[in-house]
Amino acid sequence: SQQGEEDPQALSIQEGENATMNCSYKTSINNLQWYRQNSGRGLVHLILIRSNEREKHSGRLRVTLDTSKKSSSLLITASRAADTASYFCATDAYTDKLIFGTGTRLQVFP
Amino acid sequence: EPEVTQTPSHQVTQMGQEVILRCVPISNHLYFYWYRQILGQKVEFLVSFYNNEISEKSEIFDDQFSVERPDGSNFTLKIRSTKLEDSAMYFCASSEWGLAGVTGELFFGEGSRLTVL
Repeated sequence: SQQGEEDPQALSIQEGENATMNCSYKTSINNLQWYRQNSGRGLVHLILIRSNEREKHSGRLRVTLDTSKKSSSLLITASRAADTASYFCATDAYTDKLIFGTGTRLQVFP
Repeated sequence: EPEVTQTPSHQVTQMGQEVILRCVPISNHLYFYWYRQILGQKVEFLVSFYNNEISEKSEIFDDQFSVERPDGSNFTLKIRSTKLEDSAMYFCASSEWGLAGVTGELFFGEGSRLTVL
């Protein structure tokens, strides 16, 4: 299965701390993306990293990709209460099918 | 900012009834998708659609499901005879260039919650 597994399933931190979420997948991929979902809402794209890239930054987000280990991490620096949401990695394997991981629920306390 | 819109936001139906969920993708987008999410858990791929054809579908997308782009703006998901286990949030998404595009980004609607009794 292509589906990613995320770790941890849930994460609670204080505002200002960094949050790190990990994603592992099973098959070779083309791209890996990270999405955010506020409770009961639609998913919002955060960042895409291609299989030939190792690290990418966007604002307070840093994504790494290790294709040899079939894993990725999402780091949110200086977290805010508004970052409270579920975060999903998603992969595609050269098809028009984007498969989502199981997600990490992040709670940031003020 | 352009957005994907979905209707209805919530539908309650009896088991065995047909349901049509509607989506209006972003106007210049060419690739369309349906996903479902049960109880805020994992987001499951159902189907992708391009050039009036299904590109990919999952094992969930059996003969009970169908998709259609009846005109230039709507993209619909039909469930012919609903089952209790079809209760979920259904998300429509669209993309300008698909997953192979420059950004590969999918834009999601806010979802249609389906409750089957």
